[in-house]
Amino acid sequence: GQNIDQPTEMTATEGAIVQINCTYQTSGFNGLFWYQQHAGEAPTFLSYNVLDGLEEKGRFSSFLSRSKGYSYLLLKELQMKDSASYLCAVTDSNYQLIWGAGTKLIIKP
Amino acid sequence: DAGITQSPRHKVTETGTPVTLRCHQTENHRYMYWYRQDPGHGLRLIHYSYGVKDTDKGEVSDGYSVSRSKTEDFLLTLESATSSQTSVYFCAISGGDTPSKNIQYFGAGTRLSVL
Repeated sequence: GQNIDQPTEMTATEGAIVQINCTYQTSGFNGLFWYQQHAGEAPTFLSYNVLDGLEEKGRFSSFLSRSKGYSYLLLKELQMKDSASYLCAVTDSNYQLIWGAGTKLIIKP
Repeated sequence: DAGITQSPRHKVTETGTPVTLRCHQTENHRYMYWYRQDPGHGLRLIHYSYGVKDTDKGEVSDGYSVSRSKTEDFLLTLESATSSQTSVYFCAISGGDTPSKNIQYFGAGTRLSVL
């Protein structure tokens, strides 16, 4: 079966760095996506990785290792507005997005 | 922001009644999707469309039907609503099959309660 695992909840401090991990087992791979979802709102696209390595976009970076079926989202200089759920999703061989259940990130002052 | 409008935004209905949710896009994207989101679950695909009159089932399609008569509109129908269909429903759109074009953009969601 297809499966994506990410921690249910994480807590971090304002101004710090946090790493949210995602491991996946899917039939085929055509890209990994990270989305941010604030409570009561729609998911919004953050980043995608197709090749191994690190993609940096401002305070957010996303890393991919296809051989390990592993990705992480790194958030630097945390701000209170970063409190949200972070969703990991993988595109399988049929170009369908398989979604993880999301990681709820709580930022404390 | 991608031009995606979902209607209604909130709906309360009774068990056994039919319900139709509408998704309208102004981006001329080929692909449209309906998901449901429940606590403890990831987004689960109900149905998707890859063109006018071209639709296919997702992983949780039982009890749902869809129609796409125009590029811009994708309708989701619950033929006879049940309490298990109480959920938040999201419509999404994407442009194509390549990873960069497969980025999905979401509407604001419809919160449906079936009593």
